[in-house]
Amino acid sequence: GQNIDQPTEMTATEGAIVQINCTYQTSGFNGLFWYQQHAGEAPTFLSYNVLDGLEEKGRFSSFLSRSKGYSYLLLKELQMKDSASYLCAVRDSNYQLIWGAGTKLIIKP
Amino acid sequence: GAVVSQHPSRVICKSGTSVKIECRSLDFQATTMFWYRQFPKQSLMLMATSNEGSKATYEQGVEKDKFLINHASLTLSTLTVTSAHPEDSSFYICSATLSEGTEAFFGQGTRLTVV
Repeated sequence: GQNIDQPTEMTATEGAIVQINCTYQTSGFNGLFWYQQHAGEAPTFLSYNVLDGLEEKGRFSSFLSRSKGYSYLLLKELQMKDSASYLCAVRDSNYQLIWGAGTKLIIKP
Repeated sequence: GAVVSQHPSRVICKSGTSVKIECRSLDFQATTMFWYRQFPKQSLMLMATSNEGSKATYEQGVEKDKFLINHASLTLSTLTVTSAHPEDSSFYICSATLSEGTEAFFGQGTRLTVV
């Protein structure tokens, strides 16, 4: 079956760095996405990786290793507004998005 | 990025009535739109894939006669929850992609409460 694993919850301190991991097992691979979702709102797009390596976008970076079925989202200089759920999603061979359950990130002052 | 608009954002309806949710791609043509349901503290669950001009493809366990999907144009897909029951109360979200391989753009979501 298809499976996306990510931690349920993480806690970090304002101003610090946090890494959210995602491992996946899917039938085919056509890209991995990270989304941010604040409570009660729809997800918003953060990053897209289709080739191995690191993609940097401001305070957020995303890494992919296709051979290991592994990705992480790195958030630097954490701000209180970064408190949200972070969803990892993989597009499979049928171009269907397979979603992880999300990681709830709690930022403490 | 592309804009997807979903309406209404919140709706409360009586048990047994029907509710229609609209999803529009405002600045692009979306051949395919996706409908998701999300229960509290859970991830997105794909309900159906909506293709313009053809019947929607429903995921296993989703009743097609209860969740009617219409995708009559390249910019509009609708989800109608028929004979709603309290257990249908959930957050419904639509999304669309510009083309295969690009990110999904989400509507604002609709919070449905059936009383």
